Amino acid sequence: NAGVMQNPRHLVRRRGQEARLRCSPMKGHSHVYWYRQLPEEGLKFMVYLQKENIIDESGMPKERFSAEFPKEGPSILRIQQVVRGDSAAYFCASSPFRSGLAGGDEQFFGPGTRLTVL
Amino acid sequence: QKEVEQDPGPLSVPEGAIVSLNCTYSNSAFQYFMWYRQYSRKGPELLMYTYSSGNKEDGRFTAQVDKSSKYISLFIRDSQPSDSATYLCAKGGDYGGSQGNLIFGKGTKLSVKP
Repeated sequence: NAGVMQNPRHLVRRRGQEARLRCSPMKGHSHVYWYRQLPEEGLKFMVYLQKENIIDESGMPKERFSAEFPKEGPSILRIQQVVRGDSAAYFCASSPFRSGLAGGDEQFFGPGTRLTVL
Repeated sequence: QKEVEQDPGPLSVPEGAIVSLNCTYSNSAFQYFMWYRQYSRKGPELLMYTYSSGNKEDGRFTAQVDKSSKYISLFIRDSQPSDSATYLCAKGGDYGGSQGNLIFGKGTKLSVKP
């Protein structure tokens, strides 16, 4: 059973360009979460999605960032007009649905995409 | 006040030592806790997952939760050089908050010397 897959593993962009990060959850998992890890910082929650729905985007910056999880295909985190401060490791996690336990799902992480903005 | 506090270390121990890693949290509205291990430039790997107070054991790892003092610990017995990594504690399931929104500590960097 393949784990969470993310691509690309490394992404270099110049300021002002767009970055697209992709995440394929584990087989059978319908919940996807994106986190960002800045140097010397902990993992920070960004957004939580289910198929075709954004459940919680309270951790997303108000501008330039968007996320989707279409019915078919991977989840996409999109960063428009990147700036140097966007340089970080972006991790995707997935979890299976468990009824009766609000928030009680184990989250399994992918290897991350390391974004460098020049 | 940060919701999850974790001593960043670094922590250096000799091979075979018992390692104690600790976190404190400030918000009582929670359901569960997790410990992750993260090797350099890799994704976090889930080690332990616990709901309630008390101990949970898995091989050389024991997770301990003390809700009365809002303290969570991870013990590693017979530590090995391969245990050298950053250990992240996380809590989640806050009532009234987002489902599944994990809140992480900053991580403790552990080095086990042969």
